[in-house]
Amino acid sequence: KAGVTQTPRYLIKTRGQQVTLSCSPISGHRSVSWYQQTPGQGLQFLFEYFSETQRNKGNFPGRFSGRQFSNSRSEMNVSTLELGDSALYLCASSLGTVNEQFFGPGTRLTVL
Amino acid sequence: GENVEQHPSTLSVQEGDSAVIKCTYSDSASNYFPWYKQELGKRPQLIIDIRSNVGEKKDQRIAVTLNKTAKHFSLHITETQPEDSAVYFCAASPQTGANNLFFGTGTRLTVIP
Repeated sequence: KAGVTQTPRYLIKTRGQQVTLSCSPISGHRSVSWYQQTPGQGLQFLFEYFSETQRNKGNFPGRFSGRQFSNSRSEMNVSTLELGDSALYLCASSLGTVNEQFFGPGTRLTVL
Repeated sequence: GENVEQHPSTLSVQEGDSAVIKCTYSDSASNYFPWYKQELGKRPQLIIDIRSNVGEKKDQRIAVTLNKTAKHFSLHITETQPEDSAVYFCAASPQTGANNLFFGTGTRLTVIP
């Protein structure tokens, strides 16, 4: 089976812009979770989507949002970008009924 | 919310020695504890996990132990090899079937040949 894929792999934006990141889960996986990884804060949970519904949400501002499509692909959107949003954004897919999550390669977002 | 603490932050061992990384968690409802290995510039890879109804799990040179009463779990790597060098993260999930992992801050393991 193909692994989790994320596009784009690298992105450079300026403050105030918005960005959309995409994640394609492993075939058959219905859950997609998003995480932010930074040197200072480590790996932090953003939100999880399961069968097109947000099932869990982390402690991030409303500028961070997401959605999931009927084919389980997920997108994450960040509006009004701030310098502190520079990070590696990882998505992870899971069957959804058990916990094992498998990560994608990440999207490296740089905000200038 | 769940809080996971991980120690040590860095660990250097000689090739062939054992390495132990320890984590504690705060939420007694947490019931799933995975460990991830992340090499430089790569994605985190699931290397082993344990559920709260099990005290120990082993997979070749890697083992994980869980003490629910004390709310701590540990990763043990035996006969370390240079390719074990990476950052290791522990995590806890407070909900069965849900996928909201709370991660520790990571341990950078260096295996010296």
